[in-house]
Amino acid sequence: GDSVTQTEGLVTLTKGLPVMLNCTYQTTYSPFLFWYVQHLNEAPKLLLKSSTDNKRTEHQGFYATLHKSSSSFHLQKSSVQLSDSALYFCASRGSALGRLHFGAGTQLIVIP
Amino acid sequence: DMKVTQMPRYLIKRMGENVLLECGQDMSHETMYWYRQDPGLGLQLIYISYDVDSNSEGDIPKGYRVSRKKREHFSLILDSAKTNQTSVYFCASSLPSTVYEQYFGPGTRLTVL
Repeated sequence: GDSVTQTEGLVTLTKGLPVMLNCTYQTTYSPFLFWYVQHLNEAPKLLLKSSTDNKRTEHQGFYATLHKSSSSFHLQKSSVQLSDSALYFCASRGSALGRLHFGAGTQLIVIP
Repeated sequence: DMKVTQMPRYLIKRMGENVLLECGQDMSHETMYWYRQDPGLGLQLIYISYDVDSNSEGDIPKGYRVSRKKREHFSLILDSAKTNQTSVYFCASSLPSTVYEQYFGPGTRLTVL
């Protein structure tokens, strides 16, 4: 069945360092991948999306590239800030209209 | 400014009591969702509603039912709540043209004792 795997549950980094949060997926449909971000005590918000193979998509300093060959959509940032501390979810389009399959989430903690 | 509201924000109930969680949106979005969020499990879809009285089960519908009588309102009902339904519940909505871009409400933290 369709699924999304995020291998890291918790990532702790020092401010200014680069980050990559892993996301791999399994789908029987044409891939359409998303990253949602949830800051503490807030609602999840869409950060990035892509359905185009090998094309980098960027928003708010974060970027990701959908690689269909490896079924991956890793989230990256070149220099993390304290305000980037949040829970990041990768999601994949499901079979039914509007369905999203979410990964378990990766908690990113940025320390001074 | 697009907005999804949820009431109440916090709720404590005893096992066996009925629970009503309410969600509203002011964007005339056709599609609405109910999710629950548990640590390490991500967001799990309970129900999806494509419009008034057009509801479909998600991945974990057991123990829940929904009601959508107006496009802007979507309710989640727990009949005889169980302790394992303690969770944070999120409502979301989306436009048909961008159905995978979901706008989430602030969440309801439900504790069932």
